[in-house]
Amino acid sequence: KQEVTQIPAALSVPEGENLVLNCSFTDSAIYNLQWFRQDPGKGLTSLLLIQSSQREQTSGRLNASLDKSSGRSTLYIAASQPGDSATYLCAVPSGNTPLVFGKGTRLSVIA
Amino acid sequence: DAGVTQSPTHLIKTRGQQVTLRCSPISGHKSVSWYQQVLGQGPQFIFQYYEKEERGRGNFPDRFSARQFPNYSSELNVNALLLGDSALYLCASSRQGQDSPLHFGNGTRLTVT
Repeated sequence: KQEVTQIPAALSVPEGENLVLNCSFTDSAIYNLQWFRQDPGKGLTSLLLIQSSQREQTSGRLNASLDKSSGRSTLYIAASQPGDSATYLCAVPSGNTPLVFGKGTRLSVIA
Repeated sequence: DAGVTQSPTHLIKTRGQQVTLRCSPISGHKSVSWYQQVLGQGPQFIFQYYEKEERGRGNFPDRFSARQFPNYSSELNVNALLLGDSALYLCASSRQGQDSPLHFGNGTRLTVT
């Protein structure tokens, strides 16, 4: 059974800092990994999708890496801004389950 | 193009009642999946439908059911509501295949009193 773990559960940083969010998964036989952003009480916004054949994906200030063999992914956010404050979720497909999610990392960027 | 749309946005029901939640996928997407998210947790998979056929079911009781219509929209039904069913219910759509990204709607906030 696939399990996804995200560390840390919460993070508070001053504006301008670079930061790394971590995601680990127990079954490395994945097709891809997706990172999402969720604002309080809202739905999920897809940030990045990394296919299993890729090692990283970049979008603006965001960079996600994938190491399938070790069952790990990281989301790097450069020059953080207060608008980046949200919960970040990673998820992987598993069997007949389209996505298995971690519990997320709640990020606060302080101005 | 419009994103995934869900209705209603908020709903308050009483224990024992029944509820129907609706989802319209992105145009061209034939797969719809449903998730339940309780406060402080990641979303939990409930159902997936593709071309009107159930493709997957999560670990939820038989009180939960769903269906997909010929236009690929979907409904999630929950019978005999319990207090523990209070959650954000999320719908996602995708094209096909496991390499297709999922796109989520804004969810329906269900409160059971």
